[in-house]
Amino acid sequence: NAGVTQTPKFRVLKTGQSMTLLCAQDMNHEYMYWYRQDPGMGLRLIHYSVGEGTTAKGEVPDGYNVSRLKKQNFLLGLESAAPSQTSVYFCASSYSRGLAGEIYEQYFGPGTRLTVT
Amino acid sequence: KNQVEQSPQSLIILEGKNCTLQCNYTVSPFSNLRWYKQDTGRGPVSLTIMTFSENTKSNGRYTATLDADTKQSSLHITASQLSDSASYICVVSSSGGSYIPTFGRGTSLIVHP
Repeated sequence: NAGVTQTPKFRVLKTGQSMTLLCAQDMNHEYMYWYRQDPGMGLRLIHYSVGEGTTAKGEVPDGYNVSRLKKQNFLLGLESAAPSQTSVYFCASSYSRGLAGEIYEQYFGPGTRLTVT
Repeated sequence: KNQVEQSPQSLIILEGKNCTLQCNYTVSPFSNLRWYKQDTGRGPVSLTIMTFSENTKSNGRYTATLDADTKQSSLHITASQLSDSASYICVVSSSGGSYIPTFGRGTSLIVHP
């Protein structure tokens, strides 16, 4: 199994440009997530999905859109990139939501380093 | 507001020595706490997951403890190796309301030969 893969690994954008980050998982997980990681800060949840065709906002959703057309793929889009979106983006997936007494394992991808100039 | 505070921010130790990392949280109601290891340039990898009823869990040389009463957790690394050099992240999930987990900022550990 490849686990969680992310495309591309690196990207440089100019302010105002758009792009899509692709996340794919081959573990048949229902849940998928997009996080961003900035220096000196913990990972922050951007958007997540609890199943094919569903999406929900996380902690920092502004400036991003997502789509989950297929169970194995979760796309993160930047319509008009801004320097504040310079970050490392991580995708993750898991079997189920963590409710009381229920444990889930999140598997992370290798990350995409995005620079917006 | 849910918060996870980790200490120290960074730590340097010699190979073979033990060390302990701390995590204090204010997440409520509590569901589970996990420790991740993140190597430079890579995604986090899970080390341990603990629920309310568990107060210790081991994964090889890594042992995590949880005190749900004081809302504190620690990660103890025994006989450190050079490969233990990484960032260690504490994450706490709530069982009520919003799903969003709360991540700590991590402790950067450097193991010197």
